[in-house]
Formats: sequence, C-alpha cells, structure tokens
Amino acid sequence: AQSVTQLDSHVSVSEGTPVLLRCNYSSSYSPSLFWYVQHPNKGLQLLLKYTSAATLVKGINGFEAEFKKSETSFHLTKPSAHMSDAAEYFCAVYNFNKFYFGSGTKLNVKP
Amino acid sequence: EAQVTQNPRYLITVTGKKLTVTCSQNMNHEYMSWYRQDPGLGLRQIYYSMNVEVTDKGDVPEGYKVSRKEKRNFPLILESPSPNQTSLYFCASSFVVPNTGELFFGEGSRLTVL
Repeated sequence: AQSVTQLDSHVSVSEGTPVLLRCNYSSSYSPSLFWYVQHPNKGLQLLLKYTSAATLVKGINGFEAEFKKSETSFHLTKPSAHMSDAAEYFCAVYNFNKFYFGSGTKLNVKP
Repeated sequence: EAQVTQNPRYLITVTGKKLTVTCSQNMNHEYMSWYRQDPGLGLRQIYYSMNVEVTDKGDVPEGYKVSRKEKRNFPLILESPSPNQTSLYFCASSFVVPNTGELFFGEGSRLTVL
C-alpha cells in the first residue's frame, strides 16, 4: 500500500530564514515522488520531482528535495524564504497509475 | 496557452440532483484524473483514465462516475449528490507516463451539496 505523511500541518518561518517541509512515504516499490505548491484559490503546480535519477532534486523558485531511501523521506528545503513562498505544499507519490497525496503543509512567512 | 479547464468553478446544489463537472485539456495528454480536496486530508484520487475508453477507480470512487469518450474531455458525474460530496474538486492531466511527467491541474470546482 502506498501512503504519504507530511509531518507538519503548519510551518511558520521568518523571511530570509531556511524552510524545511517534511515528507515520509510508504511504497512497496521504487516510487516517483513529487512536491506541489498550491496558492490560494489556485490549482496545484509542480515544484520538483524525483524519478530515480539524482537523489538531490532541484526545483523551481530555489526549492530542492533529497530522496533518502533508507529513511523513506523526501523533505523539501529552501535556503532563504521569501514572502511569495507562503502557500500550501503537498508531497505526492506515484505508483501503478495512481497518485497519492499527503495532507499538506501550510507555510507561513513572516516579514 | 496550455491549460486544463473545469466548469463550473462554483456550484451549490441539492441532494439527489444529478450534476456533471466538465474537464477539458488542450495538451493532447493521455492521462486524466479527478481529485477531491478536503481540509486535513489533502487530495484523494477519485477516478483516472489512461486513454480514451480506459478508466479506473482511484481511492474514493463511491458516488461518482466518469467517462472518456474523447481524449481532451473527462467529465465527472455525480448521479445523486449527497452532502458528504461537498468538496473542492480538481481535474488534472499528464502524458501517459506520468511518473516522469507532471500533473497539470485545473483551477478547481467548489461544490456544495445541501
């Protein structure tokens, strides 16, 4: 069975400080992993994806994520938060034609 | 412009009144899917389609139907809506190997069933 756990429902950081959004997954096979971002009243937009190539994946807007098979984790990071990063972030696993999404992490960025 | 278009964006209806939410994409994607988003639960897949006339259940298919008669369209049908189907619905599409591609999402359809 596949599942995705996002460990924090809310994260609050100050502008200019690092961001860490945590994601653990459960998958019987080598998964494809994704991070999506959702701004208010919008659909989801892909930030980055892991598909069994390099374990450190770079995405848009300075975000990156590291696939750690031993820890079944795929945490999202950014060195320096910007006000425009405030949004909800979803980790997702793809396997056997289905996508499984985490429950989301709302990122708040304080000035 | 490449896009996934859903209609209606907002709908209030009553229990038992059949409704259809349309979804259309202009990217020639084979894969299309429907999700519902509920607070604290993230997105859950309702149905997906790998190509024309090929559909399959996701995690929460009860109370929903879909059809895929044309490549670009993938409507979601609620034959007899109930209040527990009040939710935000997203349609998404991708090329046929979505594990190396990305899902393109519509802007969502907010449905309220009274």
